[in-house]
Amino acid sequence: GQQVMQIPQYQHVQEGEDFTTYCNSSTTLSNIQWYKQRPGGHPVFLIQLVKSGEVKKQKRLTFQFGEAKKNSSLHITATQTTDVGTYFCAGPKTSYDKVIFGPGTSLSVIP
Amino acid sequence: NAGVTQTPKFRVLKTGQSMTLLCAQDMNHEYMYWYRQDPGMGLRLIHYSVGEGTTAKGEVPDGYNVSRLKKQNFLLGLESAAPSQTSVYFCASSPTRPGSGNTIYFGEGSWLTVV
Repeated sequence: GQQVMQIPQYQHVQEGEDFTTYCNSSTTLSNIQWYKQRPGGHPVFLIQLVKSGEVKKQKRLTFQFGEAKKNSSLHITATQTTDVGTYFCAGPKTSYDKVIFGPGTSLSVIP
Repeated sequence: NAGVTQTPKFRVLKTGQSMTLLCAQDMNHEYMYWYRQDPGMGLRLIHYSVGEGTTAKGEVPDGYNVSRLKKQNFLLGLESAAPSQTSVYFCASSPTRPGSGNTIYFGEGSWLTVV
């Protein structure tokens, strides 16, 4: 069945270092969404990518959708303690009534 | 700006007890979802609904039932709680098909412990 994987599962960085998480799908995706969940909180939508090769930026966060639309990445430049949390990617299931979430990448930032 | 509201936020159950988690959304969304989140396993879909009066099974439906009698409410029931159902439960909603790129809005979560 359709699978969405993310690597790494965990990442610990010093404050100010960069961070990247990768999302890989077993199938081609029409779009991909990214969510962030703070510790003890709930997932919150960050962004959606639709086009092949698309790159979007939100301040220090850069999101990219692969050319083949089977992978995506989230890069954070100069991490801050406010970036702590788990980042999930999500892609549509065949019926589009639901999405499949990746297992998430948990980011810890050491001050 | 209530969004998606879940009750209760915390609950401890004994094995074999039953309970219902309540979810309400005030955004007039058609689609509603119940997920469970366990360490290292991400978000797994339990049941979902594509409109009032409809329900469908997700990835991990066993041991749970749902109802969507009103558009704004989505109820998750545990008929006979088991320790394996200890988890954090998230309700979510979307205006229409999330696979088409519509945002999913999550509630704050319900922490359930079954002893």
